[in-house]
Amino acid sequence: GESVGLHLPTLSVQEGDNSIINCAYSNSASDYFIWYKQESGKGPQFIIDIRSNMDKRQGQRVTVLLNKTVKHLSLQIAATQPGDSAVYFCAETTFNKFYFGSGTKLNVKP
Amino acid sequence: DTEVTQTPKHLVMGMTNKKSLKCEQHMGHRAMYWYKQKAKKPPELMFVYSYEKLSINESVPSRFSPECPNSSLLNLHLHALQPEDSALYLCASSQAQMDQPQHFGDGTRLSIL
Repeated sequence: GESVGLHLPTLSVQEGDNSIINCAYSNSASDYFIWYKQESGKGPQFIIDIRSNMDKRQGQRVTVLLNKTVKHLSLQIAATQPGDSAVYFCAETTFNKFYFGSGTKLNVKP
Repeated sequence: DTEVTQTPKHLVMGMTNKKSLKCEQHMGHRAMYWYKQKAKKPPELMFVYSYEKLSINESVPSRFSPECPNSSLLNLHLHALQPEDSALYLCASSQAQMDQPQHFGDGTRLSIL
């Protein structure tokens, strides 16, 4: 099947630093991308999304960047907090297809 | 608190049992989804309902049977499951199919003995 993202890496950052989580997608026809956060024992939580006609979208403390040329998606978290510790999944969708990436675990050190 | 409610939170069943997982949302969403998630893996799409009709079945074995009684409810009927079916089963909903953010419940942790 399609492959989105990398094998699960772990990113450790110091509290207060900025975090960047990366994701590679394989389907150039994908037109909608989403970042989810999943804390232990909970379901994925929507963070931010972006459509293929945009390169950048900002939310509260989060920014998503889309580079369609190299099929790359990134999530930037400003001033990372302990509550940001979780697994982060990117997801891509085309018509009638929806794929999650393999995820990145974010550890925030106090 | 999640706006998608799943029951039960935990379920242990034998391979000959029949049980059902339930999911409910009151956000007026018209698309609902079932996912299976194994430990340390991403969720895998199983079924999609759009306007109460099954629109996607990702080649899921027939021992899993989805049902959408109305626009707010989604069930997953389980029968003759295998130990490898033990996983977290997640329900999600969105305003429309696929190209809108999905809202997830916290899942049912299923263990097959």
